[in-house]
Amino acid sequence: GEDVEQSLFLSVREGDSSVINCTYTDSSSTYLYWYKQEPGAGLQLLTYIFSNMDMKQDQRLTVLLNKKDKHLSLRIADTQTGDSAIYFCAESSVISNYQLIWGAGTKLIIKP
Amino acid sequence: DAGVIQSPRHEVTEMGQEVTLRCKPISGHNSLFWYRQTMMRGLELLIYFNNNVPIDDSGMPEDRFSAKMPNASFSTLKIQPSEPRDSAVYFCASSPTSGDTQYFGPGTRLTVL
Repeated sequence: GEDVEQSLFLSVREGDSSVINCTYTDSSSTYLYWYKQEPGAGLQLLTYIFSNMDMKQDQRLTVLLNKKDKHLSLRIADTQTGDSAIYFCAESSVISNYQLIWGAGTKLIIKP
Repeated sequence: DAGVIQSPRHEVTEMGQEVTLRCKPISGHNSLFWYRQTMMRGLELLIYFNNNVPIDDSGMPEDRFSAKMPNASFSTLKIQPSEPRDSAVYFCASSPTSGDTQYFGPGTRLTVL
């Protein structure tokens, strides 16, 4: 079946940029998503990108999509302690009947 | 908008007891999803409904689990009898479409002793 992979942890210093990476196998992906989960909370939709786009920027967040390599990244500029969370990558396509296929999540750890 | 509402937020019960988790989706959304999250298995889709009809329940682990959506504004996930391995955080999510952009509730943390 289709698969989405992420590294489990990322550690960055406060003020630096964080780059969280994701790879997926479904070549017919339609939308790709980033969700954020803070401790004890549900998943919050951060941003998403349509598969015919290369980049999307929203304030401190930049999403890059390399469709050829099936690689998605989320860059957080000027990382703050409030960015500490687990970040989930997900994709949907006609193959998945537009249901989300989830990565395992990357825990972002902020060092002072 | 109130967002997706789940109750209870925390549930502690003893093995063998029946557990009922509740969800109110965002008004106007026509798809509803039940997920389970554990450290060992991550986020798992249990079942989803479209227009109140169960579409895919292949993720429901056993016959002990059942889900209903009697109307567009309410769904339940029931576990009977509960077992310690059912301990997890259960999330409900809703979507305005067939399911891609999903909005999550705060979750119910279930502990079965």
